[in-house]
Amino acid sequence: SQTIHQWPATLVQPVGSPLSLECTVEGTSNPNLYWYRQAAGRGLQLLFYSVGIGQISSEVPQNLSASRPQDRQFILSSKKLLLSDSGFYLCAWSTMGDTQYFGPGTRLTVL
Amino acid sequence: AQTVTQSQPEMSVQEAETVTLSCTYDTSESNYYLFWYKQPPSRQMILVIRQEAYKQQNATENRFSVNFQKAAKSFSLKISDSQLGDTAMYFCAFMKHGSYNTDKLIFGTGTRLQVFP
Repeated sequence: SQTIHQWPATLVQPVGSPLSLECTVEGTSNPNLYWYRQAAGRGLQLLFYSVGIGQISSEVPQNLSASRPQDRQFILSSKKLLLSDSGFYLCAWSTMGDTQYFGPGTRLTVL
Repeated sequence: AQTVTQSQPEMSVQEAETVTLSCTYDTSESNYYLFWYKQPPSRQMILVIRQEAYKQQNATENRFSVNFQKAAKSFSLKISDSQLGDTAMYFCAFMKHGSYNTDKLIFGTGTRLQVFP
């Protein structure tokens, strides 16, 4: 069966510091991968999605970037964090055009 | 552009009772998926149920069922025999069915459901 992992689970970072969040999927090949952000008390906002290695599409211009160095690995990064980057970050996977399944999430607090 | 509206920010129900959460959407597409996801206090998004627009039969998963009204663009979730573990935020979501690089989920703002003993 397929599983999706995210780490770290919780992160507290100062403003201006770099960021790297990792997402890995097991049990499937060539998944579509997604990064979402959820601000407190709000819905999910799609940040990036990827249909293959090295293929990244950005939905919202912002302080973040994403990379997909391996088939089942998706990384969310920032060179300098802003206060507004605080939130809950969820990674998800799907096979082409089908249901998305979510990871456990990372709670990021920028101070 | 597609939009998803959940007009009930909060709802409550007593254990063992039935509750219905509302969702409406707007789209010009004819082929799409609709989903209900549950987000418990752990905040992981868990798939509850999925409906394919071309199927007239309403989807059912154990105690969870939907009332899908395509013409009215309505997709409500019914939870029967509510349990304390059903306490969570519930999100309705839309996804256009088509080429693989357009499978983006559009979420509603959520309904917070509290189940009381």
